[in-house]
Amino acid sequence: GQSLEQPSEVTAVEGAIVQINCTYQTSGFYGLSWYQQHDGGAPTFLSYNGLDGLEETGRFSSFLSRSDSYGYLLLQELQMKDSASYFCAVRDGIYNFNKFYFGSGTKLNVKP
Amino acid sequence: DAGITQSPRHKVTETGTPVTLRCHQTENHRYMYWYRQDPGHGLRLIHYSYGVKDTDKGEVSDGYSVSRSKTEDFLLTLESATSSQTSVYFCAISESPTPGGQGAHEQYFGPGTRLTVT
Repeated sequence: GQSLEQPSEVTAVEGAIVQINCTYQTSGFYGLSWYQQHDGGAPTFLSYNGLDGLEETGRFSSFLSRSDSYGYLLLQELQMKDSASYFCAVRDGIYNFNKFYFGSGTKLNVKP
Repeated sequence: DAGITQSPRHKVTETGTPVTLRCHQTENHRYMYWYRQDPGHGLRLIHYSYGVKDTDKGEVSDGYSVSRSKTEDFLLTLESATSSQTSVYFCAISESPTPGGQGAHEQYFGPGTRLTVT
């Protein structure tokens, strides 16, 4: 089966840095993605890591270690608008390249 | 924003009735997906399509069927709705998954349909 583990909730203050971890156990692997979802909204794509290392997109960075089956999303200079749920997702790379599996999400609360 | 719409946006139905949800895209993307989202479970794949008339099951496909007769439309049907199918349903699309290019790994989600089965 497929499983992705992430913390259920994280709280941080405005201007701080927060890291959201994701560990995965999947039969296949073809990349780790991150999505953001505000309450009542649809998930939106944030970043993707296909190879080990760090990918940076503005205030957001994402890291992957395939040997550790681990990745994280790093949010810097937190803003109130960053309060949302964040999901990691893995694309199945062995039996079916087209399936995605999502973690249960991390709710980020940003406080003033 | 990707052109993807879902209808209806909200629906209340009774147990045992059939329900069909529609996903429509204007992006001409090959892949379309149906997910359900429930508290504590994140997004779970119900069915997906990799082309017209080509579909496959996801991890929670029992009680659901799908059809795709045109590139732009992907229908999800609950043949006989049950209370356990009360959920928020999201449709998503993605481009053809080639090994290179970040775009192949992005999914674009519709606004969602909130379904309540009483």
